[in-house]
Amino acid sequence: DGGITQSPKYLFRKEGQNVTLSCEQNLNHDAMYWYRQDPGQGLRLIYYSQIVNDFQKGDIAEGYSVSREKKESFPLTVTSAQKNPTAFYLCASSITTGGELNTEAFFGQGTRLTVV
Amino acid sequence: AQSVSQHNHHVILSEAASLELGCNYSYGGTVNLFWYVQYPGQHLQLLLKYFSGDPLVKGIKGFEAEFIKSKFSFNLRKPSVQWSDTAEYFCAVMNYGNNRLAFGKGNQVVVIP
Repeated sequence: DGGITQSPKYLFRKEGQNVTLSCEQNLNHDAMYWYRQDPGQGLRLIYYSQIVNDFQKGDIAEGYSVSREKKESFPLTVTSAQKNPTAFYLCASSITTGGELNTEAFFGQGTRLTVV
Repeated sequence: AQSVSQHNHHVILSEAASLELGCNYSYGGTVNLFWYVQYPGQHLQLLLKYFSGDPLVKGIKGFEAEFIKSKFSFNLRKPSVQWSDTAEYFCAVMNYGNNRLAFGKGNQVVVIP
């Protein structure tokens, strides 16, 4: 089945450790996004990538890093510099239509990260 | 950067009541507009979208939204809600040029049977 896979669903880490969240898509989409969802805050954009080997910071990029070495993969690393890393993380992808606006974004099931 | 505003974060209404959720955005250029819904325990799903053409768009489950360019708004409506419409609703805006997709803070809607 085509879709976006985020793994794992639940993740626990000790404070001070870096942790990498996986996001894989087999939809052949060019653009991929990472969001953080907190109660009452909606979805806040962390990083996004329109094409392989290129990515841009979103609104809350501090303490996070990404890479886009392959079209289908967009891993997010939550570093020890992130002050409040416990949250629900969502990955999304969308298709780029010949340089114009993308179509709608499709979302994964999310990863709930808890840092203790 | 693009900002998206949704007011009245918590909305409680009875079945058969009408629902309207407001969405305003700040970017003045060409945009795509979306409403997503997140039912309890489920992932985000697209409710409807506007790319171009008729500013009144219809989505799934009887929802519709109207794009008013002069007001930078994309309000969501449903004439008669059901208990199953209990969910969180998010407005999202994508900018032409950088394809940055920004979301509002969401509206938590509770429909009482």
